Amino acid sequence: SAVISQKPSRDICQRGTSLTIQCQVDSQVTMMFWYRQQPGQSLTLIATANQGSEATYESGFVIDKFPISRPNLTFSTLTVSNMSPEDSSIYLCSVEVGTQYFGPGTRLLVL
Amino acid sequence: RKEVEQDPGPFNVPEGATVAFNCTYSNSASQSFFWYRQDCRKEPKLLMSVYSSGNEDGRFTAQLNRASQYISLLIRDSKLSDSATYLCVVNEMGGSQGNLIFGKGTKLSVKP
Repeated sequence: SAVISQKPSRDICQRGTSLTIQCQVDSQVTMMFWYRQQPGQSLTLIATANQGSEATYESGFVIDKFPISRPNLTFSTLTVSNMSPEDSSIYLCSVEVGTQYFGPGTRLLVL
Repeated sequence: RKEVEQDPGPFNVPEGATVAFNCTYSNSASQSFFWYRQDCRKEPKLLMSVYSSGNEDGRFTAQLNRASQYISLLIRDSKLSDSATYLCVVNEMGGSQGNLIFGKGTKLSVKP
C-alpha cells in the first residue's frame, strides 16, 4: 500500500496567480501521476512525473501551464500557472504500488 | 476518442436491495478493468479489479464482456455505507497505470 499526503488541501486563488501543490508518498516510487477532476467530470490524467527526467504530459496539457518537479522518489510538485476560473478543480496525485493509490486531493477555487 | 461511459444515476435504493451498474468502453484494445469507489469529497479508492472470468468479493460481483466492451458491477444486500460514487476505470496499456481512463461515475444512495 501507499500513504499519500498533499498540500494544500484547499485554496482560493485570484486569477493570474500560480499555485504549487505538493505530494508526498511514504515509499519510493518510480512514477507519480497528477490528475484533475473538474466538477461533475471524470478524473483526467495531466502528466506522469518520473524522477530524473521531464514529466510526460497528456494531450491538452502543457508544461508551461502545469510545470512539474520530481526531485526524488517520494515527492513531486504540480504548479498551476497563470490561473483562470476554468482551473477550479480538484487536483490529485497518485502512485502505483500494486494498485493505484490516490492522495486526498487539493481543492482549488480560482476567482 | 477514448471513452468510458457510465449512467450517472443517482441510483436510490433501500437497504438490502440488489443494484447493478453498467459501463461501456470504446477502446477494444483495453487491457485491464477496475471499479473504484469515491466517497463525497474523498479520493477514489480501488474497489475491485474486473477479470474476464468474472469475480466476486463478498457482496460485490464484477463481470467483463470483451466482445460487447461492457463491464458490470453488482452489489447485493446494499448497506447504507455503500452510498458513494462508483467509477468504472479502464487501463489501455498493460503495465502502465498512467493510462487509466476514468468514467464519470455512477452515484449510489442507499436509504434506510
